[in-house]
Amino acid sequence: AQKITQTQPGMFVQEKEAVTLDCTYDTSDPSYGLFWYKQPSSGEMIFLIYQGSYDQQNATEGRYSLNFQKARKSANLVISASQLGDSAMYFCAMRVRGNNRLAFGKGNQVVVIP
Amino acid sequence: EAGVTQFPSHSVIEKGQTVTLRCDPISGHDNLYWYRRVMGKEIKFLLHFVKESKQDESGMPNNRFLAERTGGTYSTLKVQPAELEDSGVYFCASSPLEDLGEQETQYFGPGTRLLVL
Repeated sequence: AQKITQTQPGMFVQEKEAVTLDCTYDTSDPSYGLFWYKQPSSGEMIFLIYQGSYDQQNATEGRYSLNFQKARKSANLVISASQLGDSAMYFCAMRVRGNNRLAFGKGNQVVVIP
Repeated sequence: EAGVTQFPSHSVIEKGQTVTLRCDPISGHDNLYWYRRVMGKEIKFLLHFVKESKQDESGMPNNRFLAERTGGTYSTLKVQPAELEDSGVYFCASSPLEDLGEQETQYFGPGTRLLVL
């Protein structure tokens, strides 16, 4: 079974600063994918970024980047130059090959302050 | 292109009543998933449709939950009779039917907030 751990308490971040959200995972499957989703107060879950277990480079999507450390089983999300609209809950999730379901962590709450 | 839509956005019912949630996936997406987040806990998988067929329903909590996807388009999730512990946010997600393995990205709807009193 896959397990995702997000243990950081709610975070306050100054606008324009970078923030790192921690995510560790546990799986015995060598082939897996890691996802980050954003859930603003409006409720929708927005896909942000994907990292494959065999990818040699860390994934980047605009201001989002993933600090993937496979040996440590961590996939931390880095948001650079925070904006007020980044205030949201952020979920880390994992999917292994052959199993369609996503396994989620409990989420990290981020509040960006001006 | 319209995203995944869910109806209703909120539902408040009494214990013992029936509630039906609806999900319209992104047009052309054959994979449809239901997930649930109970207060303070992780988002949990409920089931997965491929077109109109149930591919995996191992996450359904009990037989009070019935999911259907007639015609392979929209899906409904019925809870009958509802219990207090069914309260939570029910998410629907969809993805195209392509074998991307672990890379498959699921696109989520805004969720239905269910409160059972």
